[in-house]
Amino acid sequence: EADIYQTPRYLVIGTGKKITLECSQTMGHDKMYWYQQDPGMELHLIHYSYGVNSTEKGDLSSESTVSRIRTEHFPLTLESARPSHTSQYLCASRDLRFAGELFFGEGSRLTVL
Amino acid sequence: ELKVEQNPLFLSMQEGKNYTIYCNYSTTSDRLYWYRQDPGKSLESLFVLLSNGAVKQEGRLMASLDTKARLSTLHITAAVHDLSATYFCAVDNYGGSQGNLIFGKGTKLSVKP
Repeated sequence: EADIYQTPRYLVIGTGKKITLECSQTMGHDKMYWYQQDPGMELHLIHYSYGVNSTEKGDLSSESTVSRIRTEHFPLTLESARPSHTSQYLCASRDLRFAGELFFGEGSRLTVL
Repeated sequence: ELKVEQNPLFLSMQEGKNYTIYCNYSTTSDRLYWYRQDPGKSLESLFVLLSNGAVKQEGRLMASLDTKARLSTLHITAAVHDLSATYFCAVDNYGGSQGNLIFGKGTKLSVKP
């Protein structure tokens, strides 16, 4: 069982609010990722990190930002939420020294009114 | 640029029938992963295929990898309702941003009595 945790699981907020989605993993993985996924649709990589102080934008343009100050923690922040940000956000991590599979958190489902 | 194509994208099966989901990718890679996603849930790792000719089986699902043909298959034997989910394949993007997986769009499987 993967040890990667996301909070909150569900969040309903108003337009213009600032939010932070938390992601933590206890596996010591260097590589961490944020994906955005609408229900039943494909995954879009929005941010990734190869280690502490490393952050990169993914394939899908996103108005969110991330930080990686500690290996285990990779939070995602939206400074001013909009209805177009309504989606599920999935955090994941992997270790290429072994099989390299991605371990996913349970997801944060965001609704912006 | 690595592209990953799954087909079919939608599959409606009767219980007891067999079927195969295909995952083609466009550039060289020797690591391929299959994931399952239930509605409203996160992704769960099914199979990790790490070399040409790799075959893995779990219950009614069997996955294989042909790196020369750049093709992986996920074969379903005697489908049951519990297999209804969306299945994603993902390939390591060695040529692009190393350490990132490129996902197919997913195959939504519905198994009917």
